[in-house]
Amino acid sequence: GENVEQHPSTLSVQEGDSAVIKCTYSDSASNYFPWYKQELGKRPQLIIDIRSNVGEKKDQRIAVTLNKTAKHFSLHITETQPEDSAVYFCAALGADNYGQNFVFGPGTRLSVLP
Amino acid sequence: SAVISQKPSRDICQRGTSLTIQCQVDSQVTMMFWYRQQPGQSLTLIATANQGSEATYESGFVIDKFPISRPNLTFSTLTVSNMSPEDSSIYLCSVAQGPYDTQYFGPGTRLTVL
Repeated sequence: GENVEQHPSTLSVQEGDSAVIKCTYSDSASNYFPWYKQELGKRPQLIIDIRSNVGEKKDQRIAVTLNKTAKHFSLHITETQPEDSAVYFCAALGADNYGQNFVFGPGTRLSVLP
Repeated sequence: SAVISQKPSRDICQRGTSLTIQCQVDSQVTMMFWYRQQPGQSLTLIATANQGSEATYESGFVIDKFPISRPNLTFSTLTVSNMSPEDSSIYLCSVAQGPYDTQYFGPGTRLTVL
């Protein structure tokens, strides 16, 4: 089955700097890769996603890149703000099990220091 | 996206008892899922709730411990049976319009077992 690793586990940046979180996956058949942001005590919220037929996707300060050959994808946050502080989870959706098997990475705790 | 609610939002239960968690969506969705998130951890898929048939459970989760119902396209329940302190966790439902589609999460139910 799919296995997703995520690095770093914690990340502290100064406000205005960029943050990069990287995930690797094991199943080359995986074809959908969402990123979720979870603030303390809140539900995970989708912030950006990418499918395997696309190499990069951007939404304002957030971008995701996908390298299918190396089986890794990364979240890039530019001009970080204190409200970006949260735990970020990547996930990979395998092509098996009728598209139901979301596997999440262990999470990255991002702290943006003012 | 759909509006998802869960009841109860939190509960404190005695060991050996059972708790049923409800997940309600304001529109019909094809797929509903149940996750567990232990304190400070990532999300683990318990099962896929299938309308009109038995749920599909992930490795390590069994129907006797986590019976699931899905009577229609907007509602599902998860029961945590014969609880022990190890079952203390946040339980989240999520929904998707179809396979290989984005999942959106409910607010979660925080369960504490004494």
